[in-house]
Amino acid sequence: AQRVTQPEKLLSVFKGAPVELKCNYSYSGSPELFWYVQYSRQRLQLLLRHISRESIKGFTADLNKGETSFHLKKPFAQEEDSAMYYCALSADNYGQNFVFGPGTRLSVLP
Amino acid sequence: DVKVTQSSRYLVKRTGEKVFLECVQDMDHENMFWYRQDPGLGLRLIYFSYDVKMKEKGDIPEGYSVSREKKERFSLILESASTNQTSMYLCASRSGTGGLYGYTFGSGTRLTVV
Repeated sequence: AQRVTQPEKLLSVFKGAPVELKCNYSYSGSPELFWYVQYSRQRLQLLLRHISRESIKGFTADLNKGETSFHLKKPFAQEEDSAMYYCALSADNYGQNFVFGPGTRLSVLP
Repeated sequence: DVKVTQSSRYLVKRTGEKVFLECVQDMDHENMFWYRQDPGLGLRLIYFSYDVKMKEKGDIPEGYSVSREKKERFSLILESASTNQTSMYLCASRSGTGGLYGYTFGSGTRLTVV
């Protein structure tokens, strides 16, 4: 069965510091991986997906199949990055097998 | 610009009441989902539907049922609400052919059962 783990429930960094939110997965096939973000009082929204290899709001994430990881990184954290971040895995193309991690709350301190 | 709409932002219900949570999407998506979001547990799938009148159990279906009579609407039903169903409920939709795309979520309904 697919599983997504995010080892940190809470991560606090100072403004301007680098940030890395960890995500590991277990899946025997080729997964599609996503990062979702939920800002205070806003809906959960897609931040980025590994297949597009994009950078959104300064965040990047690289899929490391050897380590089964998909860590989210940003070189210089901003206060507006404070939010709840969920890593998610899709094991099929029909959205019927989509697994979320438990989430990491990022707090960027001034 | 709102694409997935959940009818209520906050609900307070009494134990034993029958509760309906409504979700409507305007993107013509085939797949719709109901999750509950709890601190430390992340998002847990309750039910999903991949077509009108079709439904599949997710990871935690006990105490819940769903209805999908029209493509755009997916309802979550708590037959007899209990205090352990106090949670944030999120509806989401996804295109049936959109393997490259994730979900679009609604704003959520925070349900409190007293």
